Amino acid sequence: EVQLVESGGGLVQPGGSLRLSCAASGFTFSDHYMDWVRQAPGKGLEWVGSTRNRANSYTTEYAASVKGRFTISRDDSKNSLYLQMNSLKTEDTAVYYCARTSGRYYYAMDVWGQGTTVTVSS
Amino acid sequence: QSVLTQPPSVSGAPGQRVTISCTGSSSSIGAGYDVHWYQQLPGAAPKLLIYGNINRPSGVPDRFSGSKSGTSASLAITGLQAEDEADYYCQSYDSSLSGVFGGGTKLTVL
Repeated sequence: EVQLVESGGGLVQPGGSLRLSCAASGFTFSDHYMDWVRQAPGKGLEWVGSTRNRANSYTTEYAASVKGRFTISRDDSKNSLYLQMNSLKTEDTAVYYCARTSGRYYYAMDVWGQGTTVTVSS
Repeated sequence: QSVLTQPPSVSGAPGQRVTISCTGSSSSIGAGYDVHWYQQLPGAAPKLLIYGNINRPSGVPDRFSGSKSGTSASLAITGLQAEDEADYYCQSYDSSLSGVFGGGTKLTVL
């Protein structure tokens, strides 16, 4: 079964750091681009950033709202995706989803995790 | 404010047809980037509904269809059913290769 499972969410103070993980299974993780998407309480989806695969030099892209504070990385040997979040702000409070991007589906996000909740509050 | 503009809400009675628009710009949809649509049921993760403007993944009923023209795209749902009540999001890319989502549209089945 193709699956993504996020972990690492929790409560953190403003200015703090948190590292989210996303464990992939059931597919060849190293072949795929991967994305992070977040959803603030009662709000819509916001693209956070993405990482390409090895064939595309693991290039990363970030939303302007997180650039310079968040870092996406991956470990293909562990089938895992990571989101390092530094200098957290209250507006980073959200459910964070990892998603698989599939070339087969014109680079749409065809598999999503269940999400992990990050709360930034003092 | 989202890069892609969607109506906040639409509604329709069972059996009816509804459409949801997604308006971008010359640097997003109009630049030739594909549009994808996602359905998010209450309390659930998003699910891919339409990819590459007009294509349905396996398992998505043919009641759902997508189109794209110029700087806009649309999602149409025919034969509306109670289980279609959800939030719908369009997604594309911009010229900096950043992903962009619409603000989402809440579909209410009357």
